[in-house]
Amino acid sequence: AQSVTQLGSHVSVSEGALVLLRCNYSSSVPPYLFWYVQYPNQGLQLLLKYTSAATLVKGINGFEAEFKKSETSFHLTKPSAHMSDAAEYFCAVGGGQGAQKLVFGQGTRLTINP
Amino acid sequence: DTGVSQNPRHKITKRGQNVTFRCDPISEHNRLYWYRQTLGQGPEFLTYFQNEAQLEKSRLLSDRFSAERPKGSFSTLEIQRTEQGDSAMYLCASSPLGLAGTQETQYFGPGTRLLVL
Repeated sequence: AQSVTQLGSHVSVSEGALVLLRCNYSSSVPPYLFWYVQYPNQGLQLLLKYTSAATLVKGINGFEAEFKKSETSFHLTKPSAHMSDAAEYFCAVGGGQGAQKLVFGQGTRLTINP
Repeated sequence: DTGVSQNPRHKITKRGQNVTFRCDPISEHNRLYWYRQTLGQGPEFLTYFQNEAQLEKSRLLSDRFSAERPKGSFSTLEIQRTEQGDSAMYLCASSPLGLAGTQETQYFGPGTRLLVL
């Protein structure tokens, strides 16, 4: 079975500071990893996706994530936080044993302080 | 370019009533997924279709839940005899078929928020 753990249900940073959201996964097969963002009362929007082509993945809005197999991690970073980054962020794993479903972490709420 | 749409966006019902939600996927997408998201949690997989065939169902999908995709286009999710524990956001997503053994990106709709009183 696949699983995802997001460390820290709430993260607060100052505007302009580094954003680091942590994600660790468990998978018995090479994983596909995703980061999605959710704004209040909206669906999920894809930020970026890891497909084994490159370990450093660049996404939208200046976000990027690095796949580290030895650490089973896929942490999300952004060098400089913007007020519009305030949202809920979800890490997800998929592709296990031919299944198409995604398994999500519990989410991290990002707050940006002015 | 239209994305995934869901109707209604909000539904308030009384315990014991039946409710039905509709999802219209991105037009060329063969796969359609349903997830449930409760407050403060990540989405949980319920079921998915490839064209009109329902290929996987979660154990979360009790006998009171049924999903259909009769013509391989839109899908409906019905909950019979609703319970207060069914209150959640119901999310629909769609994806292209892709190559065998790959995981295509799932594109999510805005969700239907259900409140059972």
